[in-house]
Amino acid sequence: DAGVIQSPRHEVTEMGQEVTLRCKPISGHDYLFWYRQTMMRGLELLIYFNNNVPIDDSGMPEDRFSAKMPNASFSTLKIQPSEPRDSAVYFCASRAGTGNYGYTFGSGTRLTVV
Amino acid sequence: GENVEQHPSTLSVQEGDSAVIKCTYSDSASNYFPWYKQELGKGPQLIIDIRSNVGEKKDQRIAVTLNKTAKHFSLHITETQPEDSAVYFCAASRGTYKYIFGTGTRLKVLA
Repeated sequence: DAGVIQSPRHEVTEMGQEVTLRCKPISGHDYLFWYRQTMMRGLELLIYFNNNVPIDDSGMPEDRFSAKMPNASFSTLKIQPSEPRDSAVYFCASRAGTGNYGYTFGSGTRLTVV
Repeated sequence: GENVEQHPSTLSVQEGDSAVIKCTYSDSASNYFPWYKQELGKGPQLIIDIRSNVGEKKDQRIAVTLNKTAKHFSLHITETQPEDSAVYFCAASRGTYKYIFGTGTRLKVLA
């Protein structure tokens, strides 16, 4: 298995622009998580899905952030409009609903908003 | 709210020595405690985990201990090697798939 695949690896954008981050979870995993990592706040859970349905989006910072999972093999995290304080590494992770409870993380997208 | 404190934030050890990282959690209903290793430019990787019905678990040079009464758990790495250098995160979960992560420990193994 190729693991959790995220794209792009790096994104530099200007303030006010729309940014879309993409994630392909491991096949068969029915939970998908979006995390944000910064030096100040560490790893923060933004939202997670079960069977493509959003379960908990309480970590989404504000209405500028939205996430979708149109099918079991694809999810997006969108920021519109982007702001410099959104600069961070965004991770997607997935796990199966049964078996051990560990997540598998992707390699992340480093977002820089200038 | 729920919180996981992790110490120390940085740790330097000589190659071959042991390293210990400690975490304390606030939610007494937590029942699953994973540890992740994050190398530069990569996502966190699960290295070991423990459930609340077990006091200790070992996997080669890595071990985790859990004290439910005191609400703390620790990661022990023996015979450290340069490739153990990374950032380590602890986490706690009450089995709802939502983790509360610690703030991370940057481990440096000096050759």
